Amino acid sequence: EADIYQTPRYLVIGTGKKITLECSQTMGHDKMYWYQQDPGMELHLIHYSYGVNSTEKGDLSSESTVSRIRTEHFPLTLESARPSHTSQYLCATASGVNEKLFFGSGTQLSVL
Amino acid sequence: SQQGEEDPQALSIQEGENATMNCSYKTSINNLQWYRQNSGRGLVHLILIRSNEREKHSGRLRVTLDTSKKSSSLLITASRAADTASYFCATDFRASGSRLTFGEGTQLTVNP
Repeated sequence: EADIYQTPRYLVIGTGKKITLECSQTMGHDKMYWYQQDPGMELHLIHYSYGVNSTEKGDLSSESTVSRIRTEHFPLTLESARPSHTSQYLCATASGVNEKLFFGSGTQLSVL
Repeated sequence: SQQGEEDPQALSIQEGENATMNCSYKTSINNLQWYRQNSGRGLVHLILIRSNEREKHSGRLRVTLDTSKKSSSLLITASRAADTASYFCATDFRASGSRLTFGEGTQLTVNP
């Protein structure tokens, strides 16, 4: 069954650590997105990709980086985590422009 | 802000009642979408309504779009306790390069 996988589901780390949040999809979609969401708040787009070797920054400034070497994989990396990075990170895909998004279950990140 | 704004922020009703949530936005759109999010999870797409459509139905859901007022409403009829979740509208602004922007959501609680 086609799906979107995010790992880890929960992550608690110390300040200054480098982390990578994984997002993989078997949907075959070209478009992938990373959103950041604080509890009870709106989603903010931080990165997106429209295909392999294509990445763009979103609407919210983020200290994270992304890569898109394969269609199915869109990892997000924080080089040096800080408490201000504590949030939920949601990965999503879309089959085309102006179409609906499919979301993963999210990664809840806590930086101590 | 060009984001959609939901109203009310929170809504509490009894099972069997109808729930109505509203979304307003500021600039021209290609489409407007509604999503549902259970606590701590990813979002699930409910309905997409395009700018040239006025009303769409899906099961117990009814969405309307009034482009002259730049507003949309989501009606859930005969609500159930399982409908308890946050509901977000997402707009695809014509100037956004087809990136969805989300509102802050309406927290719906359906009491048994």
